[in-house]
Amino acid sequence: GESVGLHLPTLSVQEGDNSIINCAYSNSASDYFIWYKQESGKGPQFIIDIRSNMDKRQGQRVTVLLNKTVKHLSLQIAATQPGDSAVYFCAHVRYSGGGADGLTFGKGTHLIIQP
Amino acid sequence: NAGVTQTPKFRVLKTGQSMTLLCAQDMNHEYMYWYRQDPGMGLRLIHYSVGEGTTAKGEVPDGYNVSRLKKQNFLLGLESAAPSQTSVYFCASSLAGGTLDTQYFGPGTRLTVL
Repeated sequence: GESVGLHLPTLSVQEGDNSIINCAYSNSASDYFIWYKQESGKGPQFIIDIRSNMDKRQGQRVTVLLNKTVKHLSLQIAATQPGDSAVYFCAHVRYSGGGADGLTFGKGTHLIIQP
Repeated sequence: NAGVTQTPKFRVLKTGQSMTLLCAQDMNHEYMYWYRQDPGMGLRLIHYSVGEGTTAKGEVPDGYNVSRLKKQNFLLGLESAAPSQTSVYFCASSLAGGTLDTQYFGPGTRLTVL
């Protein structure tokens, strides 16, 4: 079956350092991936996405890397700030017999910023 | 634009009571979703809708019903609440499915069933 998992449940980094959050997926048919940020008490917020015809996409201070060969996705956050403290989820499009069928979410990585 | 809004924000029910959660979006999105999130867990899809008048089951549909009578609204109903339904419920919407399925989430409803 499909699964989206993260390698570490908690990641602690020093303020100003770069953060890398990893995600593995199992469905090789997935062609669209999204990273979400969820702050305490709030709903998930879209950060960045990437389609399977790309291996890298950059946003403001964030970069997503996609390695389809090993089914691995990563989110890099440059110069981590206190406001980056949150749980980060990766998600990918789920496919069933009828086609695209919503998103499958990983369990999340809690990013903690140390002063 | 308000985006995705949910009412109520908090609710406490007794076992066996019923309630309806309302989700509204003003982005003219076709697809809408209801998820639940339990401590330390990711989001699990309860039901979803690919357009007005349509609904479909997600990963954990038992104990819930939904209706999409208007494009902008998606209602989640609990007919007889159980303690296992204590959770935070999130609604989301997206323009379409597949590679257009960037979902935008509401702020959540925290439900406690005693």
